[in-house]
Amino acid sequence: AQSVSQHNHHVILSEAASLELGCNYSYGGTVNLFWYVQYPGQHLQLLLKYFSGDPLVKGIKGFEAEFIKSKFSFNLRKPSVQWSDTAEYFCAVNALSNTGKLIFGQGTTLQVKP
Amino acid sequence: ETGVTQSPTHLIKTRGQQVTLRCSSQSGHNTVSWYQQALGQGPQFIFQYYREEENGRGNFPPRFSGLQFPNYSSELNVNALELDDSALYLCASSPPGYNEQFFGPGTRLTVL
Repeated sequence: AQSVSQHNHHVILSEAASLELGCNYSYGGTVNLFWYVQYPGQHLQLLLKYFSGDPLVKGIKGFEAEFIKSKFSFNLRKPSVQWSDTAEYFCAVNALSNTGKLIFGQGTTLQVKP
Repeated sequence: ETGVTQSPTHLIKTRGQQVTLRCSSQSGHNTVSWYQQALGQGPQFIFQYYREEENGRGNFPPRFSGLQFPNYSSELNVNALELDDSALYLCASSPPGYNEQFFGPGTRLTVL
């Protein structure tokens, strides 16, 4: 069965620290990849997406992610986090053979200390 | 532009009851997907509707059913509620021919 694994469940960082959240998926075919963010009290919002082309994608608020096909990974990065980045982050995969179905990871709670 | 809206915001039911949750898709979006998000977990795909037909279903029993209307709004119905159905139910819509899904705020269902 297809699955998405996020390695870090809870991450605590100080402001200005660098962030990397791991995401691996299990599916051998073509995929679309997403990172969503859920700020406290708000709904899920798209941070960035990969459909094809350059494997390094840039999203909103200074986030970027790199798709490494050989490692089935799509890790999220940000060089310098801010207190306002405190949120829950979800990696999601859409296998193009499975129309519309997004498979989410368990989520990573990021807490940024001011 | 109005985003995805869901109603009600919160709902409390008892075991065995039935519930209907509603979703209005974003303008111009013709595909609606429903997800269940249990506390501390990522959303799990329930099913998707496209042009008023079910277009894919996750690992949920038949007591989870849905509808899509000609204006692309949608309902999720759950019969014979169980305690484990307590969760945040998310609706997401997508524009034609596009895989990105836009999420609503969710309905928090509590089953007692």
